[in-house]
Amino acid sequence: GQQLNQSPQSMFIQEGEDVSMNCTSSSIFNTWLWYKQDPGEGPVLLIALYKAGELTSNGRLTAQFGITRKDSFLNISASIPSDVGIYFCAGQKNNQGGKLIFGQGTELSVKP
Amino acid sequence: GAGVSQSPSNKVTEKGKDVELRCDPISGHTALYWYRQRLGQGLEFLIYFQGNSAPDKSGLPSDRFSAERTGESVSTLTIQRTQQEDSAVYLCASGPLAGVETQYFGPGTRLLVL
Repeated sequence: GQQLNQSPQSMFIQEGEDVSMNCTSSSIFNTWLWYKQDPGEGPVLLIALYKAGELTSNGRLTAQFGITRKDSFLNISASIPSDVGIYFCAGQKNNQGGKLIFGQGTELSVKP
Repeated sequence: GAGVSQSPSNKVTEKGKDVELRCDPISGHTALYWYRQRLGQGLEFLIYFQGNSAPDKSGLPSDRFSAERTGESVSTLTIQRTQQEDSAVYLCASGPLAGVETQYFGPGTRLLVL
């Protein structure tokens, strides 16, 4: 099935560093979301974006909905060890009842 | 518990056997989704139920896959004549409405087909 192009696939960073990851698509999405998945768990929603150009923060996380509606990025500032996990972007198109299209994920490792 | 629960948490089966995976949504949630997650990949949409409306089955990969839901309660995903490529984590999500931010995911069922 269709997936979004998410990069990078993995990141190894030092505690305290900032992190950036992004997602692109060849088609327009009306909503962009960012999830975090810990091992053995389902994804947990971090940030939801509803409007092109929208910039939203949730604590140390900031995400933006691209102006073309075909991309989004997620920044994590001042990373801490519990930020470790896999981050997924997901997009939704109107009139699809909440069906989500996911990126392949970015695996984040944080070295204390 | 208050969250979405799934059973079994792990399932190992032999190629060619049928399997049934169960999802118990959060009580009162009308929307229920099934997704498949292959190793190292994102989630792929399989099927979506919303109240009494006809389900959206557009993501089911073949006619070996089917799902049922009675009212706003439990859902069962059935895979017939399993193949090795069916090995994946099967995740269920529920929500009070057919909205985006209201999808709450269960922990998944890890299926291994030998």
